[in-house]
Amino acid sequence: GQNIDQPTEMTATEGAIVQINCTYQTSGFNGLFWYQQHAGEAPTFLSYNVLDGLEEKGRFSSFLSRSKGYSYLLLKELQMKDSASYLCAVTDSNYQLIWGAGTKLIIKP
Amino acid sequence: DVKVTQSSRYLVKRTGEKVFLECVQDMDHENMFWYRQDPGLGLRLIYFSYDVKMKEKGDIPEGYSVSREKKERFSLILESASTNQTSMYLCASSSLSSSGALTIIPQFFGPGTRLTVL
Repeated sequence: GQNIDQPTEMTATEGAIVQINCTYQTSGFNGLFWYQQHAGEAPTFLSYNVLDGLEEKGRFSSFLSRSKGYSYLLLKELQMKDSASYLCAVTDSNYQLIWGAGTKLIIKP
Repeated sequence: DVKVTQSSRYLVKRTGEKVFLECVQDMDHENMFWYRQDPGLGLRLIYFSYDVKMKEKGDIPEGYSVSREKKERFSLILESASTNQTSMYLCASSSLSSSGALTIIPQFFGPGTRLTVL
C-alpha cells in the first residue's frame, strides 16, 4: 500500500533549528508538498519539490531525495508562531495525492 | 487577499439529518476539493470537481454527495448523517496546471467545518 510517515510530535526551542522528516512509499512520484496548519485553521502551502535537492524560502527550506523516498522541512530561527502542524503530501504516478498525518511542532521559549 | 470560505466553523447535527456544507472561493479556480481530517490520519479526499457541474469520487465518497452549480461554489451533502461522519471537513481549491493534472498545483484551503453528529 501507499504510505507517508512523519513523526507525530516534535518539540524545539525558540531561536533554534528543527528538521521535520517525511518518508514515503508510493507507486511512483510526481512531487511532494509541505503545508503548515495552525490549530483550528486552514492548511497553508509552504513548498513543492519535484527534483532532488534543497529549496530555500526564507527561514524555511525543503529537501527531497527521490531515490530514498525522503524529504525534510528545515525551519531556522524558530519563532513561537511556528508552533503548528506540518503536513507532508506526495503525488504518485497516477496523480493521486497522498497525505501524511502531520507533525505537531511545539516551540518552547 | 485570496480566500476560501466555508459556511460554518462548527455544526452539530443529529443522526439521520441531511447536512449541507458550503464552500466558496474567490480566486476563479477551476478545481475544488472536499476532504475530511481526523486525528492520526492524513487528509482523505471525499470528492473533487474540475469544472462546473463536473464531479469525481475521491477515496471515501460513501455517504456523501456534492454539487457544483457555479464555479465559485462547491457543496458537500451528507444525505443521512451518521456518527462516523463526525469530523473536520476541509474545502480546498486550485488553479489549472499546464498539464491538466490536479495534484501538482498547491491547493488553497478554507478554515474547516467541525461537524459533530449525535
